[in-house]
Amino acid sequence: QITLKESGPTLVKPTQTLTLTCTFSGFSLSTSDMGVGWIRQSPGKALEWLALIYWDDDKRYSPSLKNRLTISEDTSKNQVVLTMTNMDPVDTATYYCAHLLYHRSGTHAFDIWGQGTMVSVSS
Amino acid sequence: EIVLTQSPATLSLSPGERATLSCRASQSVSSSLAWYQQKPGQAPRLLIYDASNRATGIPARFSGSGSGTDFTLTISSLEPEDFAVYYCQQRSNWSFTFGGGTKVEIK
Repeated sequence: QITLKESGPTLVKPTQTLTLTCTFSGFSLSTSDMGVGWIRQSPGKALEWLALIYWDDDKRYSPSLKNRLTISEDTSKNQVVLTMTNMDPVDTATYYCAHLLYHRSGTHAFDIWGQGTMVSVSS
Repeated sequence: EIVLTQSPATLSLSPGERATLSCRASQSVSSSLAWYQQKPGQAPRLLIYDASNRATGIPARFSGSGSGTDFTLTISSLEPEDFAVYYCQQRSNWSFTFGGGTKVEIK
């Protein structure tokens, strides 16, 4: 059974760097065809994809946010870490990590999600 | 960046009725489209991937169709637990985008 759980600060100040950790179980990111993504949702708004890391350490970022994002993995701890620099109040959102359903035929969907963690940006 | 436009924004229906939700892409995404259901205070749940494949454990009343730029999610007969917000998502050119969502509410 695959599970994921996000952790990190609930409040950050403007201009600070946010670091979120996704701790997962039920799969290994060192196994072929695995991936973990980050998605956020501002209050009352739609979902927004942020970043994705594949089993082979390939990394992809949202074009609009790529200059502020870094995704990395700690395979030994079954964790994926997302950092976002220069936080602003508009970055206030619930941040989710999710397991990637991937098939080499082209399938890319997020089939198992964490519960999400709410992050507020305020001075 | 590919933009996904969902319509209608809100769909007011009664239990037992058929729901038809639309997702239109600004350019072709082939069949690389997924649908999610989200209830208040919960994480999204994957319903459909690759336009028409039901995810594990998803009831048969949910079906997806379409390819290229026009996609449809159909709920054949609404159950009380189906009233929620639905999002489409595409993956193309190594990037993902989500649509703005359709809220299915009880009439």
